Amino acid sequence: NAGVTQTPKFQVLKTGQSMTLQCAQDMNHEYMSWYRQDPGMGLRLIHYSVGAGITDQGEVPNGYNVSRSTTEDFPLRLLSAAPSQTSVYFCASSYGQTSYEQYFGPGTRLTVT
Amino acid sequence: AQSVTQLDSQVPVFEEAPVELRCNYSSSVSVYLFWYVQYPNQGLQLLLKYLSGSTLVKGINGFEAEFNKSQTSFHLRKPSVHISDTAEYFCAVIPPMDSNYQLIWGAGTKLIIKP
Repeated sequence: NAGVTQTPKFQVLKTGQSMTLQCAQDMNHEYMSWYRQDPGMGLRLIHYSVGAGITDQGEVPNGYNVSRSTTEDFPLRLLSAAPSQTSVYFCASSYGQTSYEQYFGPGTRLTVT
Repeated sequence: AQSVTQLDSQVPVFEEAPVELRCNYSSSVSVYLFWYVQYPNQGLQLLLKYLSGSTLVKGINGFEAEFNKSQTSFHLRKPSVHISDTAEYFCAVIPPMDSNYQLIWGAGTKLIIKP
């Protein structure tokens, strides 16, 4: 099992550009989520999905879009990048909302200039 | 709203010394509690969790945590740390009655091991 994979590992964008952060898992997990990690702030939930075709907003959804067309993939789209979106982004998955243990990808470090 | 407080942003400790990383949460009713570890330049992985039962929970790599309901705390301990324990440690809770079971995260504590 590859577990949770994320691409790219690093990305630099200019303000106003758009891009998609990729996330995939091969564990047949129902639940997937995107977090951003900023120094001194822990992890903040951006969007999550409880299964294919179902997504919902987390704590900080503005400026981001998601979709879940398959169980395996959960891409995060930045619509118009802003410097405030400079962060490390983590994708996580779990068997379901009641299994509690989340498996994390290695992260994408995004810088917006 | 539920919140999680990790009282120390950094904890320096000598190798082979004991360590305690503190975590307090705001709810006085039943919660699920977790500690995750993030090694440098990696994602997070589960260290241990408390869902119910014994208040002393053992995790991986020799860590343990004790759930104290009256003090709303879930402190993480290790009797003797190793240089490989250098990492950031995150406490998280699932609030009671949360139908979405969303984790609420603390800000993290960096464990710095001094040789």
